[in-house]
Amino acid sequence: EIVLTQSPGTLSLSPGERATLSCRASQSISSNNFLTWYQQKPGQAPRLLIYGASIRAAGIPDRFSASGSGTDFTLTISRLEPEDFAVYYCQQYGYSVWTFGQGTKVEIK
Amino acid sequence: QVQLVESGGGLVKPGGSLRLSCAASGFSFSTYYMGWIRQAPGKGLEWLSYISSSGSTIYYADSVKGRFTISRDNADNSLYLQMNSLRAEDTAVYYCARGISSSDWYGAFDFWGQGTRVTVSS
Repeated sequence: EIVLTQSPGTLSLSPGERATLSCRASQSISSNNFLTWYQQKPGQAPRLLIYGASIRAAGIPDRFSASGSGTDFTLTISRLEPEDFAVYYCQQYGYSVWTFGQGTKVEIK
Repeated sequence: QVQLVESGGGLVKPGGSLRLSCAASGFSFSTYYMGWIRQAPGKGLEWLSYISSSGSTIYYADSVKGRFTISRDNADNSLYLQMNSLRAEDTAVYYCARGISSSDWYGAFDFWGQGTRVTVSS
């Protein structure tokens, strides 16, 4: 089973700043298609942000971007808006198993 | 619009059973793969189970294999999760989620229900 490790655990930033979140896999993900990012706010269900490692989901603002391949993936929020403060999860699919990272909390500094 | 509404959660004693339901609307349910994901209090997300659009292919996480059973009724636009031999560590919010539809396989879930809470306690 591929383990996803997200870093940092918490990111303290101000609105307008750039956020860079990392997701590292314990072994190479077989296809970039299989790496996904979600946003979750307190009391809400997760929301799909990015799939296929870099494809923004419908309705996701272009300040969200993502990249990576193999074992290292990055989610970038170019300029944080107040509504972006949340927890972000990466998720991978491989060999009939889905796994999630433990999450990165982006909090207001 | 796409809607997924879970139900069936509640308080159950260790060793007990529950059946969760997920009512889908606003899309062609029978053409999408579906999944169940849970989140223990204050914790992250844990994938539990996948079912293909026809129901012919099913996968489980090791943590629930042999105890949980996923199923679907495409005629009724419903997804189910039968949970047996429940343990305290199964306490969580349980989400149903729709698989993203595309010509390529992405393994992503694009719509999630609001979740149903399951508490396993004596």
